[in-house]
Amino acid sequence: QQQVRQSSQSLTVWEGETAILNCSYENSAFDYFPWYQQFPGEGPALLIAIRSVSDKKEDGRFTIFFNKREKNLSLHIKDSQPGDSATYFCAASGNMGYKLTFGTGTSLLVDP
Amino acid sequence: GALVYQYPRRTICKSGTSMRMECQAVGFQATSVAWYRQSPQKTFELIALSTVNSAIKYEQNFTQEKFPISHPNLSFSSMTVLNAYLEDRGLYLCGAGDRVGSDYTFGSGTRLLVI
Repeated sequence: QQQVRQSSQSLTVWEGETAILNCSYENSAFDYFPWYQQFPGEGPALLIAIRSVSDKKEDGRFTIFFNKREKNLSLHIKDSQPGDSATYFCAASGNMGYKLTFGTGTSLLVDP
Repeated sequence: GALVYQYPRRTICKSGTSMRMECQAVGFQATSVAWYRQSPQKTFELIALSTVNSAIKYEQNFTQEKFPISHPNLSFSSMTVLNAYLEDRGLYLCGAGDRVGSDYTFGSGTRLLVI
């Protein structure tokens, strides 16, 4: 059973639009939710993360909205750029991050 | 900054043989090292988590007998894939953190092809 789900396998937006990537999870014990960005041929790189005590985390063009009651979260990428084209993984952990569980990823394409 | 290097980047081995991959942390102390395998479909499987001075914890479906891991100091870890078969293909990622619960910094991975 997939504990962390990303509803869209792929997403295409125009340059300048806001890309919204959704994620949901099963385990109520998860309390830490990082998003990773992965380019082809590279390992995943931490983009932004949120803890379950918050409902929003913003870092430049990237914002996480978190809904603990609904067990879902979303990553918003404002003013999308072609360089943002990558695969984005939602991940989750509890127990001080012992085990990081990844979603299946959303491949974002930003069309110029 | 914190960097993790993995080598080799890509390797091909014959079915039934073994190969060793290495992970080097630079700029921070790799207290915790997590080894993942990313499938061609991009899903991640945690193989094991190693914390210096603690026992290595393997996930279900992964064993020390198949994926022995060494984590001798705060900058280096290695993992061997013993007796590799087709189902072992994938991108093996090393993620390191300076404490349990910290964010992992990942390397670029070792891509294993088995023929």
